[in-house]
Amino acid sequence: KNQVEQSPQSLIILEGKNCTLQCNYTVSPFSNLRWYKQDTGRGPVSLTIMTFSENTKSNGRYTATLDADTKQSSLHITASQLSDSASYICVVSADSGNTPLVFGKGTRLSVIA
Amino acid sequence: KAGVTQTPRYLIKTRGQQVTLSCSPISGHRSVSWYQQTPGQGLQFLFEYFSETQRNKGNFPGRFSGRQFSNSRSEMNVSTLELGDSALYLCASSLASAGGYTEAFFGQGTRLTVV
Repeated sequence: KNQVEQSPQSLIILEGKNCTLQCNYTVSPFSNLRWYKQDTGRGPVSLTIMTFSENTKSNGRYTATLDADTKQSSLHITASQLSDSASYICVVSADSGNTPLVFGKGTRLSVIA
Repeated sequence: KAGVTQTPRYLIKTRGQQVTLSCSPISGHRSVSWYQQTPGQGLQFLFEYFSETQRNKGNFPGRFSGRQFSNSRSEMNVSTLELGDSALYLCASSLASAGGYTEAFFGQGTRLTVV
């Protein structure tokens, strides 16, 4: 069964600190992995999208890594800001055909002053 | 470039009623996918439409249905509403199928509350 597991479920960090969110998946055949940021009550916004051949991808203070062998990904946030408080959702696409996206349940990040 | 537009943003309905939600994708996008998001379950895939045809369907009862028009706008209908249907309903548009290496852009969602 295709699944995406994220950890931790929630995280509280101080403003200015770094943090890393984890994503493990059992989606096959793998096409690509995405990280989305979702503010409360709003739709998810794409941060990165990576294929199996890409190990690292950055978007400003966000850096995603992918290990296709171990089927793990991480999202590293550098120098966190209050506006980083949101849910971060890992999404995996199976194959390049018509199968839908597989979503993790997200990590709820709270950045406090 | 206008984003994905969902209407209405908020909706309150009574059990047993039906509801229709609308999604206007980004101009030129032919794929529209619908998702239900609840605190406990995260995003659950409902269905995807591509060029007016349903391409995929998730594991939801037949009370949930949808359609897509020739201009790619999509509607989702839920009949005989239940309390458990209270959720944020999101739609995403993309150029091609939602899977594969194609970016999916989400709307702001419709918050449905069933009382």
